[in-house]
Amino acid sequence: GDSVTQMEGPVTLSEEAFLTINCTYTATGYPSLFWYVQYPGEGLQLLLKATKADDKGSNKGFEATYRKETTSFHLEKGSVQVSDSAVYFCALSDPGSNYKLTFGKGTLLTVNP
Amino acid sequence: DGGITQSPKYLFRKEGQNVTLSCEQNLNHDAMYWYRQDPGQGLRLIYYSQIVNDFQKGDIAEGYSVSREKKESFPLTVTSAQKNPTAFYLCASSPGAGVATDTQYFGPGTRLTVL
Repeated sequence: GDSVTQMEGPVTLSEEAFLTINCTYTATGYPSLFWYVQYPGEGLQLLLKATKADDKGSNKGFEATYRKETTSFHLEKGSVQVSDSAVYFCALSDPGSNYKLTFGKGTLLTVNP
Repeated sequence: DGGITQSPKYLFRKEGQNVTLSCEQNLNHDAMYWYRQDPGQGLRLIYYSQIVNDFQKGDIAEGYSVSREKKESFPLTVTSAQKNPTAFYLCASSPGAGVATDTQYFGPGTRLTVL
């Protein structure tokens, strides 16, 4: 079945540091890949997505590239801000699984001033 | 404003009582979903519906029930058969039914505590 593995947190960084959150996946079909962000006490918001190999999703300074050869979709940001503190979820939607979203367990990021 | 609303934000119930969580969307989306979130577990799919009057079990449907009588509404009932109902419940919707590239849009969630 489908699965998503993302790096365990929590991750604590200083403001302006470089961020990488690793995400790898297993899917039966050819999935679309997503990063969602959850701020404390709220629902999830889409951060970025990529629908085919070598696509790069980007938003608010965050980027992730769909790497089919390594089955990865790592999230990066060159300079984090305190306001980026949140939980980040990697997810996939697989036609082979009736398009259901499968989520990783989430990575808590804390950015200190 | 278009979006997904969930009510209430916090809900307390006694053990053994059924409780219904509301989810409404005005995005004209065909598909709707219910997830459960527990600390350190990510999100797990409870039920989903791709069209009115039809729904399918997700990965953890036991102890839950749903209905989809209207396109805009997808209420979730947590029954007394659910062994560990205390959790954060998230409703989502997406534009199409069965489209892998569709983004799912999430509501703000309901935190259910069973005493």
